[in-house]
Amino acid sequence: AQRVTQPEKLLSVFKGAPVELKCNYSYSGSPELFWYVQYSRQRLQLLLRHISRESIKGFTADLNKGETSFHLKKPFAQEEDSAMYYCALKGREYGNKLVFGAGTILRVKS
Amino acid sequence: NAGVMQNPRHLVRRRGQEARLRCSPMKGHSHVYWYRQLPEEGLKFMVYLQKENIIDESGMPKERFSAEFPKEGPSILRIQQVVRGDSAAYFCASSPLQAGAHEQYFGPGTRLTVT
Repeated sequence: AQRVTQPEKLLSVFKGAPVELKCNYSYSGSPELFWYVQYSRQRLQLLLRHISRESIKGFTADLNKGETSFHLKKPFAQEEDSAMYYCALKGREYGNKLVFGAGTILRVKS
Repeated sequence: NAGVMQNPRHLVRRRGQEARLRCSPMKGHSHVYWYRQLPEEGLKFMVYLQKENIIDESGMPKERFSAEFPKEGPSILRIQQVVRGDSAAYFCASSPLQAGAHEQYFGPGTRLTVT
């Protein structure tokens, strides 16, 4: 079965501090992992995906198959990063559907 | 491109009534996905449709829920005889292709409240 766990409901950091949003997954095959973000009053949008190996808005995420994790990191948080972040998994054996974690609210304080 | 459109944005229904949620995918997209988000939970997959075809309905409750994506017009998620437990945010997403790395683009959601 596919499962995505985001252990923190809320993460509160000061501006300029490093950020790490945790994501662990359970899946026996080769997953595709994604991070989606929802800013206040906006729709859910893709932030980054592991196969692209890119950095978006200073965020990076590395797929660690040994630890089955896909943590989202940013070295210096900015106030505009405050949002809800969802980790999601797509398993090729299960078609196109995304399996989402419960989400983590990131609050960046000035 | 206006993006994925959903309407209504908010829908209030009494127990026993029917709820119809509409989703217009992005221009050029022929694949639609419906997800439900209950309070304090993540989005949960319900159904994946192509034009005139249901590809995967493994997340749909067995009764009262149905979905369609006709050749013309929006995709419809229909909930018959709603109950309080159906209160949730319902999100639609669309993508242009079935396979590959194409992302799903999400609509703003419909918030259903059953009184």
